[in-house]
Order: sequence, then C-alpha cells, then structure tokens
Amino acid sequence: QSALTQPASVSGSPGQSITISCAGTSSDIGGYNFVSWYQHHPGKAPKLIIYDVSTRPSGVSNRFSGSKSGNTASLTISGLLAEDEADYYCSSYTNSNTRGVFGGGTKVTVL
Amino acid sequence: EVQLVESGGGLVQPGGSLRLSCAASGLTFSDYWMTWVRQAPGTGLEWVAKIKQDGAEKYYVDSVKGRFTISRDNAKNSVYLQMNSLRAEDTAVYYCASSRYCTDGVCSRFDYWGQGTLVTVSS
Repeated sequence: QSALTQPASVSGSPGQSITISCAGTSSDIGGYNFVSWYQHHPGKAPKLIIYDVSTRPSGVSNRFSGSKSGNTASLTISGLLAEDEADYYCSSYTNSNTRGVFGGGTKVTVL
Repeated sequence: EVQLVESGGGLVQPGGSLRLSCAASGLTFSDYWMTWVRQAPGTGLEWVAKIKQDGAEKYYVDSVKGRFTISRDNAKNSVYLQMNSLRAEDTAVYYCASSRYCTDGVCSRFDYWGQGTLVTVSS
C-alpha cells in the first residue's frame, strides 16, 4: 500500500482537461512544498514534469500544472493529447522515517 | 542530454545474488544523490536505496536492509546495487534516479531516471 493515495485511473477526450489527485498527510504533502509529479510511458524512463508543487522543468509543456490544498496535491493536464496517455506518479518530501513517499500511480487514458 | 542506463538485471533463483549497475552521462554525476527505485508488477514506485554525492550517507528501505548494498564510483559516473539473498518479492523493474537536493536521505525530487532493468526472482 502506497503512502500517497492516487486514483487508479482517469480518462478524458482529446482537448479536455483532467485532474489527478494525490492525498497525503501533514507529515508529507501538507507539511512541505516539495511535491513532484512524474510521467511514465511503460518501457521508458519516468520523466519529472512538476516539482515544488507547481514548477515545471525546462521543456515541459505548460499544459501540465500542479497545485496543493491542505494534504492533497493535484496535477492538471489541459488540452489532453494522445501522447499524454501514460502513468503518472506523485511524490512528496516527508518527515517520517520512510525517507520519501510515492503515490500508487494513475493511468491516464485518452479516449 | 542526460542519460542514465541500467544493466545487470535478469532471472535469479531465490537466495541468489545480482549486481545492478547504472551508468550516467550528460550531468555532473558527483553533484547528485543517486537512488534505486523499483516497481513490482502491478504496483507503484518504491525507493530501495539512496547514496549521497560522496558516498558518505546511505539509506535503505527496511525490507532490503542487510541484503542490499548501494555504492558509487564518481570516477566512472556509475552507481551500483549489490542484491543478495534475493526473494520473490524483490521481483521488479529497478530504476536509478538522480537528485540534486536531499536532506538526511529525503529528496525533494528526482530529476532524471533511467529506463530500468528487470529483476525476476523465481525458481
């Protein structure tokens, strides 16, 4: 069981916007602004797409945006494209002795 | 372009050993913490072992303590994971990932990842 809770799947039509939630606790998401998101196409290297809750690394599309409210972080993909079909994982800094937590992953399907 | 390339995975019997390697290029390797992260079939990501830039700090998830050893060679831009006493539950794709910013082994993000190498523990 992952420390952060994500929905198993989210789907949307091309051009639509979808939001993936990532629920944690005050020991991780709620306590720090160090939430990151990764896009993973199976068989390829995972890719950092959001860090520090809402910052996009250079080269990442501005269709990806991140936010946080309380103990829950969110990733929004706007203007959904076929190439966005992938697995998405959240992660957070934590003060627990686990020294790092990931979500269970969300499979995004473009209908 | 940053590249992390893992190797060394394969099929091994329970109780056996494997040594994974991760070769880095396109980044100043000695500036980064390195972490091994695994994904077992049908599950999410789990960090397994981490090592500081100079190798002075190492951390392990409880389930592998005493069985796995992480090491690095900054001259070769490489990080390694020696896995002993392997169990069926160690079956997973193992990724190496780099982080610039970690405190006491807790990293704020993983900047770069490799494509992974599959480890299968089965008789």
